Amino acid sequence: AQKITQTQPGMFVQEKEAVTLDCTYDTSDQSYGLFWYKQPSSGEMIFLIYQGSYDEQNATEGRYSLNFQKARKSANLVISASQLGDSAMYFCAMRAGGGSEKLVFGKGTKLTVNP
Amino acid sequence: DGGITQSPKYLFRKEGQNVTLSCEQNLNHDAMYWYRQDPGQGLRLIYYSQIVNDFQKGDIAEGYSVSREKKESFPLTVTSAQKNPTAFYLCASSTIPGTEAYEQYFGPGTRLTVT
Repeated sequence: AQKITQTQPGMFVQEKEAVTLDCTYDTSDQSYGLFWYKQPSSGEMIFLIYQGSYDEQNATEGRYSLNFQKARKSANLVISASQLGDSAMYFCAMRAGGGSEKLVFGKGTKLTVNP
Repeated sequence: DGGITQSPKYLFRKEGQNVTLSCEQNLNHDAMYWYRQDPGQGLRLIYYSQIVNDFQKGDIAEGYSVSREKKESFPLTVTSAQKNPTAFYLCASSTIPGTEAYEQYFGPGTRLTVT
């Protein structure tokens, strides 16, 4: 069974600084996908970035990058140049390959950006 | 604008009553999903559907029912058999299932309170 672990219930960062949100995963599948979602206080889940298990390069999307270390089974999200609007819950999720439809989510990390 | 709509945003019901949550998408996505989120927790999959008139149980399907009569619509009924129905419910959709790289798009959610 797949499992996602986010060990940081809350993180604080100063505006314009970078921050890393941790995510480790457990799976016996060779093919899988890793996702990060942002959930503002409004509740909607916003897709940020995706990393495939066979992707050799770390994924990047604007100020977001995913530090993928396959041997360590970690997929940390790095947010560069934090903005006040980045304050939200952040969830790491995994989907197994082979046609599985389940997205397994971690418990999330609450990020607060201070001015 | 394409997207997913969920209505209402807040819903209050008395214990013992069934309640149906609406989810509509105009993204022409084949797959749709229902998740439940409890405070301080990640999302858990209730039901999903890859095609009209077909759906599959997720991890916590007990006490819930769904239908998929139209591609655009995937309503969720919370029955009186659900022991702890108070939660935040999120609907999502995605393109062709079975491909790792597709992300799920989420609606704004419905916060259900049962007293």
